[in-house]
Amino acid sequence: AQTVTQSQPEMSVQEAETVTLSCTYDTSESDYYLFWYKQPPSRQMILVIRQEAYKQQNATENRFSVNFQKAAKSFSLKISDSQLGDAAMYFCAYKRRGGADGLTFGKGTHLIIQP
Amino acid sequence: NAGVTQTPKFRILKIGQSMTLQCAQDMNHNYMYWYRQDPGMGLKLIYYSVGAGITDKGEVPNGYNVSRSTTEDFPLRLELAAPSQTSVYFCASSPLSGAATNEKLFFGSGTQLSVL
Repeated sequence: AQTVTQSQPEMSVQEAETVTLSCTYDTSESDYYLFWYKQPPSRQMILVIRQEAYKQQNATENRFSVNFQKAAKSFSLKISDSQLGDAAMYFCAYKRRGGADGLTFGKGTHLIIQP
Repeated sequence: NAGVTQTPKFRILKIGQSMTLQCAQDMNHNYMYWYRQDPGMGLKLIYYSVGAGITDKGEVPNGYNVSRSTTEDFPLRLELAAPSQTSVYFCASSPLSGAATNEKLFFGSGTQLSVL
């Protein structure tokens, strides 16, 4: 079974600085998706960024980018120019391509933005 | 477009009571899911469904039941509520594998359930 590990329960960054959140995963599959979800205090699950395992190029979405290392099974999220609105829980998640059983989530990282 | 709608948003139950958490989606998605999120933890899969009439257990199914009589609705039933079921419950849906949305899950806004 696949597992997702987020080793940083909490991270803090100054506003306008850059922060990187770590995620590692374990799977025997070769074709899968990786996701970062943001959960603000409203508890809504918001998709931040998605990476397809067969694509070598790292995904980017405005200030958010990932460092995907398939051989190392590592998937970190970099947030540039941090803003107060980025404060939230961030969850890393895995999904096997074609799998009907949804996402496997890590335990999350609480991101604090210092003004 | 409403997306995934969960009701109620909050509920307090007494030990041993029963209730149904409602979930409906209007995107004609085949796949639907129920997750629970305990404090300080990620989401864990309770049950999922690949279409009307088909359901399967996830990681933490004990104490819950589901049914899928239509494509739109996927209710979650708690028969004998226990304090260990205090959690936030999320319903989600996704289109068939390989669809244009690339297997993205669409989440409802969650139900906060307390069992006292």
